[in-house]
Amino acid sequence: QSVLTQPPSASGTLGQRVTISCSGSISKIGTIYVYWYQQVPGMAPKLLIYRNNQRPSGVPARFSASRSGTSASLAISDLRAEDEAFYYCAAWDDTVTGPRVFGGGTKLTVV
Amino acid sequence: QEQLEQPGAIVKKPGASVRVPCKGSGYSFTGYYIYWMRQAPGQGPDSIGWINPSNGDTYYEQKYKDRVTLTRDTSINTVHMELSRLTFDDTAMFYCARGFRLDVWGQGTHVIVS
Repeated sequence: QSVLTQPPSASGTLGQRVTISCSGSISKIGTIYVYWYQQVPGMAPKLLIYRNNQRPSGVPARFSASRSGTSASLAISDLRAEDEAFYYCAAWDDTVTGPRVFGGGTKLTVV
Repeated sequence: QEQLEQPGAIVKKPGASVRVPCKGSGYSFTGYYIYWMRQAPGQGPDSIGWINPSNGDTYYEQKYKDRVTLTRDTSINTVHMELSRLTFDDTAMFYCARGFRLDVWGQGTHVIVS
């Protein structure tokens, strides 16, 4: 199982670059991938990053992610007002049956 | 357009069961597992389990195993999540999501136990 910890809040100004961290006890590290989701209040989560650092089609290149050992981070460059949302990291092994584990989320405020 | 449709809200009384539908469209419905997630206010999503629409295989997380049942009806591209013995603590948003990457999400169903 995995327990993922995120800072509860982050902030940045328009045009700035911000990073959001995610750390935890990720078991079976060799087979675990990190995912990132964006959730605007009142909406469903949206996949931003899969398999540690891959962007689905349609996700701007302003969003990037990296992973090192049991830590991961999401970077958002050229911050825009519409980026204000909750961001969740998640982790599971790359099989259908692996448990889906999410962090507690980080509220990003754009000032 | 690939999408999953869910009703916006369902109200139930304590002790009752709730059955939440999730209808897929715009893609091969039997080609992707459907996962169910529960999200309480202010918290991250919590995994409930999954169903393989192709053959009906299911998996339930331990904390929900005794109360949840996932079923599918491929004739209408719909899966259902039934949660029994509802308590006030079950009031939350319930989402279905597609595939092991959870790349398409339903808009969520607010289950209100009142």
